Amino acid sequence: EVVMTQSPATLSVSPGEGATLSCRASQSVSSYLAWYQQRPGQAPRLLIYGASTRATGIPARFSGSGSGTDFSLTINSLQPEDFAVYYCQQYSKWPKTFGQGTKVEIK
Amino acid sequence: EVQLVESGGGLVKPGGSLRLSCEGSGFTFSSYSMNWVRQAPGKGLEWISYITSTGSTTYYADSVKGRFTISRDNAKKSLYLQMNSLRDEDSGVYYCARDYVAFRHFDYWGQGTVVTVSS
Repeated sequence: EVVMTQSPATLSVSPGEGATLSCRASQSVSSYLAWYQQRPGQAPRLLIYGASTRATGIPARFSGSGSGTDFSLTINSLQPEDFAVYYCQQYSKWPKTFGQGTKVEIK
Repeated sequence: EVQLVESGGGLVKPGGSLRLSCEGSGFTFSSYSMNWVRQAPGKGLEWISYITSTGSTTYYADSVKGRFTISRDNAKKSLYLQMNSLRDEDSGVYYCARDYVAFRHFDYWGQGTVVTVSS
């Protein structure tokens, strides 16, 4: 199975600052990579798919990049509602696997 | 508006069974493949099962293979997960999630239903 490794585990950021989250796959997943946001007590929400395409209704401050094995999610000017856990997921190969998550917390 | 609503969670003893349901609305349920994803308390997300739009093909994670069965009733716009031989490690929140298109990412998720396996 494809192992997804996210870093860092926790990112402390001040509101208004930017943040970059990383996700690495144990083998190439091409661009079959999605990012999800999960706020406390809520279901995950799709942010990015195809490594770089924003889902419907997702603000432009969220952007994704990468292909193959290395991916990143960048959040510009963090808003209060952006403090959450972010998961990457590959859907290139079965089983579809998630990273362990990066928690973005208020500094 | 697309909505997925799970139900059926609860407290069950190890070795017991439970059947989860997920009702879809706001979209043509029969056109979409569906998934179950779970999250153990304080842990990350784990995909556990997939079913095609017609129900003809199913996939399972190794952790649940042989114990869980995914099914659907398109007339009732409902997805199911029959869980047998439950273990402590099956405890968590169970989400149903819709495939954007078959074999791709999940574009909509339900709010989840809580399963607790404990004696």
